[in-house]
Amino acid sequence: LAKTTQPISMDSYEGQEVNITCSHNNIATNDYITWYQQFPSQGPRFIIQGYKTKVTNEVASLFIPADRKSSTLSLPRVSLSDTAVYYCLVAYNAGNNRKLIWGLGTSLAVNP
Amino acid sequence: DTEVTQTPKHLVMGMTNKKSLKCEQHMGHRAMYWYKQKAKKPPELMFVYSYEKLSINESVPSRFSPECPNSSLLNLHLHALQPEDSALYLCASSLDTFNEKLFFGSGTQLSVL
Repeated sequence: LAKTTQPISMDSYEGQEVNITCSHNNIATNDYITWYQQFPSQGPRFIIQGYKTKVTNEVASLFIPADRKSSTLSLPRVSLSDTAVYYCLVAYNAGNNRKLIWGLGTSLAVNP
Repeated sequence: DTEVTQTPKHLVMGMTNKKSLKCEQHMGHRAMYWYKQKAKKPPELMFVYSYEKLSINESVPSRFSPECPNSSLLNLHLHALQPEDSALYLCASSLDTFNEKLFFGSGTQLSVL
């Protein structure tokens, strides 16, 4: 059964590094893992995407182990403006179809 | 231009009303999506258009009717909605349906009375 699992909530303080892990046991072989950030009353915003090992951009890093059954979004030195909900999005093979499954989201609260 | 524009931002409608949600993108994306999102839940896929043709309908009730007039526009026609249909309706686009890098609009917050 395809499932994308992530912690419901996390708390942090300004300046700390935050790591959010998503579990996706049955990920499709050739698909990417994608992370989004969402603020209240706005659409999700793309953060980062990766297939394996490590990907880094100006906002975050994404770590993916060799078995690809999980991924970890790393936000360096968070600020108050990083308070948001973070979703992982993973593709699974469902018979002849390809299905995108969203995690339930991790609500990150960054405190002063 | 990397924006997906949705109108209106807010909509209140009665159960007998007919209304339409509009979405526009000028990124040359060939896949466009409608999602429904309830509070504290992830987005829930409703429809996917690929090259202006409906490719996925996630068993959405017929009171929701999508339309893709051209490669830049996507509409969602609403008729005889129920109060439980109140939600944030999000439009998104991507290069194609095999690309999970989705660009979302800000959504339409819909209230059905």
